[in-house]
Amino acid sequence: DAGVIQSPRHEVTEMGQEVTLRCKPISGHDYLFWYRQTMMRGLELLIYFNNNVPIDDSGMPEDRFSAKMPNASFSTLKIQPSEPRDSAVYFCASSLRVGAYEQYFGPGTRLTVT
Amino acid sequence: GDSVTQMEGPVTLSEEAFLTINCTYTATGYPSLFWYVQYPGEGLQLLLKATKADDKGSNKGFEATYRKETTSFHLEKGSVQVSDSAVYFCALSDGYSGAGSYQLTFGKGTKLSVIP
Repeated sequence: DAGVIQSPRHEVTEMGQEVTLRCKPISGHDYLFWYRQTMMRGLELLIYFNNNVPIDDSGMPEDRFSAKMPNASFSTLKIQPSEPRDSAVYFCASSLRVGAYEQYFGPGTRLTVT
Repeated sequence: GDSVTQMEGPVTLSEEAFLTINCTYTATGYPSLFWYVQYPGEGLQLLLKATKADDKGSNKGFEATYRKETTSFHLEKGSVQVSDSAVYFCALSDGYSGAGSYQLTFGKGTKLSVIP
């Protein structure tokens, strides 16, 4: 398997623009997670899905952020409008189950909002 | 709620030195414990895990033992290499009964640099 695939790897945009990050999880994995990593706050869970259904979005910072999973092989994280404080590395991860099961992380998308 | 505390870095060691990165946790149930590693420019990947008290996880020369009495899961390696330079994250997974929300809680990470 190719692992978790994320695109784009780098995104530079201006404040106020819409940003869409994409993720393809490992085939057969029931769970998908979106994380944000910054120097100040470390690794934060934004939202996760089970069988394409959002289970917990309490980590989504505000209404400007939204995430969807229209099918088992694709998810998006959208920021509209973007702000400079959204600059971070965004990771997608997937796992077969939860609990003692490993999460497999994608390479991340480095977002810079100017 | 659950929390993970790991030693702050950065940690700089010479090649072949002994490594210890301390990790302690707070959890209400019986969590599973993990060490993840992040190499520069990459996502996190699982290094090792332990699912119950006294279990020892090991991989690539790294070891960690799940100590319930001290709520610790310290990472050790007897002889580090330059290629071990990375950021190491301790994490815990709370019990999941199928109801409620699942959470994998990460520590803040410890950056290790190994110099030749």
